[in-house]
Amino acid sequence: GAVVSQHPSWVICKSGTSVKIECRSLDFQATTMFWYRQFPKQSLMLMATSNEGSKATYEQGVEKDKFLINHASLTLSTLTVTSAHPEDSSFYICSATVGSVETQYFGPGTRLLVL
Amino acid sequence: AQSVAQPEDQVNVAEGNPLTVKCTYSVSGNPYLFWYVQYPNRGLQFLLKYITGDNLVKGSYGFEAEFNKSQTSFHLKKPSALVSDSALYFCAVRDIYGTGGFKTIFGAGTRLFVKA
Repeated sequence: GAVVSQHPSWVICKSGTSVKIECRSLDFQATTMFWYRQFPKQSLMLMATSNEGSKATYEQGVEKDKFLINHASLTLSTLTVTSAHPEDSSFYICSATVGSVETQYFGPGTRLLVL
Repeated sequence: AQSVAQPEDQVNVAEGNPLTVKCTYSVSGNPYLFWYVQYPNRGLQFLLKYITGDNLVKGSYGFEAEFNKSQTSFHLKKPSALVSDSALYFCAVRDIYGTGGFKTIFGAGTRLFVKA
């Protein structure tokens, strides 16, 4: 149980276009979802926290207008990278938690390459 | 602010030998500590957590970790390493902010190589 999926697993896009990444909890309802960015050979950097039905809370330094997060239901959160640039190329990972349970369940990640 | 440190970028161990991956933390209040593992081309997986109770926490795949309050450490251990344990290991601490919201702060990660 507790499976989190991400789609797509990888995407290549042209500079200036927007890319949407989906994060789904497949067999549980996630009250909170997190979006991370992982640079090569580095740790995970939290971008934002989203709760179903409310606005996402962004970490300091993360542009809200560039990284749009929508948590429309208890099983789906989306991250849209707007007007992507090569420096946005990265590995984006989502995770989900249930209620007050501390454990996070991670998606497999989405590799984004902006040309 | 909460923080977590993994002092070793890489740990090498021979198969069958015990392994230790180190983690130290800094928190205000009671610590909520975690270990996650990231296998190549796969997502992070939860290994174990300490919230309260017994200082020795047992987790997945035969791993365990010992919470040491005086040394502010939460080292990951396994009595006998397997080649398949080779992966990237992250220690993490829960940070509370705002009106009860929380986020997880990850260490830089330690790459474990188990040689046959």
